[in-house]
Amino acid sequence: AQSVTQLDSHVSVSEGTPVLLRCNYSSSYSPSLFWYVQHPNKGLQLLLKYTSAATLVKGINGFEAEFKKSETSFHLTKPSAHMSDAAEYFCVVSDPNSGGYQKVTFGTGTKLQVIP
Amino acid sequence: DAMVIQNPRYQVTQFGKPVTLSCSQTLNHNVMYWYQQKSSQAPKLLFHYYDKDFNNEADTPDNFQSRRPNTSFCFLDIRSPGLGDAAMYLCATSGVRDMTAQPQHFGDGTRLSIL
Repeated sequence: AQSVTQLDSHVSVSEGTPVLLRCNYSSSYSPSLFWYVQHPNKGLQLLLKYTSAATLVKGINGFEAEFKKSETSFHLTKPSAHMSDAAEYFCVVSDPNSGGYQKVTFGTGTKLQVIP
Repeated sequence: DAMVIQNPRYQVTQFGKPVTLSCSQTLNHNVMYWYQQKSSQAPKLLFHYYDKDFNNEADTPDNFQSRRPNTSFCFLDIRSPGLGDAAMYLCATSGVRDMTAQPQHFGDGTRLSIL
């Protein structure tokens, strides 16, 4: 069984300061992990993915995440927040043994607020 | 650009009146998914198609049905919508040409309101 825990339901940062969104996972297999962003009334957009290559993954819009197996974590970071980063972020784990399709488990989401 | 398109973006229906939401994709992906997302919650998988093979989640109500007439299109039918079915419905696709994990590609969703 797999699970994802997003440790903060809301995060508030000032524009220009670093962003840290925390995610811990549990998986019986070598997981694939993803971060998605969802702006209001929009679908989910893939930010980045980890699929057992480099542990430090760079994504779009200046985001990156580091896979730490020893800590079972996949935290999302960005050096400097922009107003346009205000959105909800979902950490997702994928079970690679689900028979040819990607059965995924979503975290509960973290709403990022960026203060001008 | 290749993408996942959902129509309409906003749908209003009456309590108990059947409604159909549509999704099309130009990615030529084998798998299509339907999710229900209520306010401030994570998306919840309703069902998915692997080619023509339909897979229902165990806790998806019988009120929800789906059709996939071809690779490009998938429909979500809600036979008798109740007030609790008001939500954002998201369609997603993924490819399975190889077994490495591939991310799901999402449409912008249809927000369903029930009067």
